Amino acid sequence: ETGVTQTPRHLVMGMTNKKSLKCEQHLGHNAMYWYKQSAKKPLELMFVYSLEERVENNSVPSRFSPECPNSSHLFLHLHTLQPEDSALYLCASSQDFAGGYNEQFFGPGTRLTVL
Amino acid sequence: QQQVKQSPQSLIVQKGGISIINCAYENTAFDYFPWYQQFPGKGPALLIAIRPDVSEKKEGRFTISFNKSAKQFSLHIMDSQPGDSATYFCAANSQGAQKLVFGQGTRLTINP
Repeated sequence: ETGVTQTPRHLVMGMTNKKSLKCEQHLGHNAMYWYKQSAKKPLELMFVYSLEERVENNSVPSRFSPECPNSSHLFLHLHTLQPEDSALYLCASSQDFAGGYNEQFFGPGTRLTVL
Repeated sequence: QQQVKQSPQSLIVQKGGISIINCAYENTAFDYFPWYQQFPGKGPALLIAIRPDVSEKKEGRFTISFNKSAKQFSLHIMDSQPGDSATYFCAANSQGAQKLVFGQGTRLTINP
């Protein structure tokens, strides 16, 4: 595997379900990101982890819970979601979060549908 | 003030034509302006980026034009090809903020 991988690629869940999205980066990067991509809207930054420590939490509802067990893996735990949470969830990584401009490398995303 | 406004939302260009996508920003602290390209089923990928110390940057058929006084920047795709059909996002960042602010995206279609 190379780059940034995400599983599953597609997920359909009911509002009462609990599910998790997984992201893995094979680039040796120190920073990882979760973004939400909705149609006709800018990418919305949700969370940032730098060296496994959360450094950014953009007023995201508590029904989204991130976890970064090590610098290569990032999870997004989902529970009691709403239909408006249906979107493409993108994971990205960069060499570092601080100290200049670091290109972000994106995974292919998980297409989430909440029924 | 953190927004980046992108236009048009969608664009159709004939093969061989010039595709132009525009972005505008308000925050004068922004000093890094990348463009990302996203194909269906893929995540965005960095295409080209510019710093405001230059007014233009060219890489192959892709050119960024930057107007600091107007707080605008644009992507030009010369000799557009069907393989360029994708969604393009402009973005902006400042070293202090350490996070990218994205435009709404432009869906570009190149007709053969």
